[in-house]
Amino acid sequence: ILNVEQSPQSLHVQEGDSTNFTCSFPSSNFYALHWYRWETAKSPEALFVMTLNGDEKKKGRISATLNTKEGYSYLYIKGSQPEDSATYLCAFPSGGSNYKLTFGKGTLLTVNP
Amino acid sequence: GAVVSQHPSWVICKSGTSVKIECRSLDFQATTMFWYRQFPKQSLMLMATSNEGSKATYEQGVEKDKFLINHASLTLSTLTVTSAHPEDSSFYICSARDTGLAGGHYEQYFGPGTRLTVT
Repeated sequence: ILNVEQSPQSLHVQEGDSTNFTCSFPSSNFYALHWYRWETAKSPEALFVMTLNGDEKKKGRISATLNTKEGYSYLYIKGSQPEDSATYLCAFPSGGSNYKLTFGKGTLLTVNP
Repeated sequence: GAVVSQHPSWVICKSGTSVKIECRSLDFQATTMFWYRQFPKQSLMLMATSNEGSKATYEQGVEKDKFLINHASLTLSTLTVTSAHPEDSSFYICSARDTGLAGGHYEQYFGPGTRLTVT
C-alpha cells in the first residue's frame, strides 16, 4: 500500500495571501505525480503532472515543484482569491500499464474575501 | 474537452435493493475507466479498473459480486451496487482515461460523483 500524505488537512487564508501545501510520496520507483483541484459539487480538475526531479510547473497563479529524491511536491498559490477555495489533491501512480492512482486525503483551502 | 458525466448525482435506496451508477466520457473514447469510493475524511480509494470489452479488475477487499462493473462501450461504464446495505453508503466517483493521448503519463478525467445513501 502506497503512502501519500498531504499537509495541512485544511487551511484558511485571506484574499490576497499567498499559500502553499505539501504532498509527500514514496521516493523509490518514482514515475509521476498528479495534482488535482476539486471544487465542491464539481469534478476534480487536473492541474499538473510532475515527472522530473526539480520540475516546476505553473498555471496562472498556481505553481508546483517536485523533489523526487526526498519524495515531496509543493503546490503554491500566489495572491489567493475566493475562487481558489477547493480541495487540492495529489496522486501517485502505480500499477504498470493500468496506471492506478493512489490519492492523498487532500488539503481543503478556504480563501476568505 | 475531456468531460466525464456521472448519473445519478445522488441516490437514496432501501437496504437490499440494487443501484446502478453510470459513467460516460462525453467527448473522448475511454478504453479504461476507474471507480473510486470516498468515505468521510478519507482519500479517494480505488475500487476497480474497468476495461472495455473485458472483465473489471478489482482491488483487494472489494467484492466483485457486490460491485458489478460493466464497460460495454468506449464511452460508458456502469457500477451496480447489489443488495445494498447502509455500510455501502458513500461517495462513488468514476474517472476515464483518454485512449487518444500519447505518452506514458496518463491523465484521468473525473466525473462529479454520486452520493449513495442506503437506508
